[in-house]
Amino acid sequence: QVTLRESGPALVKPTQTLTLTCTFSGFSLSTSGMCVSWIRQPPGKALEWLARIDWDDDKYYSTSLKTRLTISKDTSKNQVVLTMTNMDPVDTATYYCARNPYSSGPEYWGQGTLVTVSS
Amino acid sequence: QSVLTQPPSVSAAPGQKVTISCSGSSSNIGNNYVSWYQQLPGTAPKLLIYDNNKRPSGIPDRFSGSKSGTSATLGITGLQTGDEAHYYCGTWDSSLSAVVFGGGTKLTVL
Repeated sequence: QVTLRESGPALVKPTQTLTLTCTFSGFSLSTSGMCVSWIRQPPGKALEWLARIDWDDDKYYSTSLKTRLTISKDTSKNQVVLTMTNMDPVDTATYYCARNPYSSGPEYWGQGTLVTVSS
Repeated sequence: QSVLTQPPSVSAAPGQKVTISCSGSSSNIGNNYVSWYQQLPGTAPKLLIYDNNKRPSGIPDRFSGSKSGTSATLGITGLQTGDEAHYYCGTWDSSLSAVVFGGGTKLTVL
């Protein structure tokens, strides 16, 4: 059974760095073809993909947010970490991690974690 | 604006059929697998269709997916009030090296 769970702060201040952790089970990120993506959704708005890390440590980022994002993995802990720098109130959103097959969209999703950016 | 184009809303009566379109390009839908998601209010997206037309275990056959060229379609038959949700299409874009989504379609079951 594949499960993913996001964890991190619910509230961050403007200009701070956000660090989110995705802890998963039911698959290994060292298996060929496995990838994990981060996606966010501002309240009442559409899904926005942020980043993806692959089994071979290839990394891909949203063009518009590339300078602010870093994705990494700890295969031994079954975790993927996303950092986003210089947070702004417009970054307020529910952040999801998801298992993402190669050349496709995400499949299994975590429950999401709401991050509010406010002073 | 989203890379994939979906109608903002569709509606139909209970028991009827509805289709939701998703339009893209050769760099995304045209050469990669399309997925469809259902998002009920306050919940995470749920995979309905993967690899263009496959249903995960537990998804009823009322839901179907198809792809032709650079467009994909989600079909829902025997509409129920519980189907009221936002529906999103998604895929990989080989030119952008990014996952891309549609802007979402709100389904209303009248």
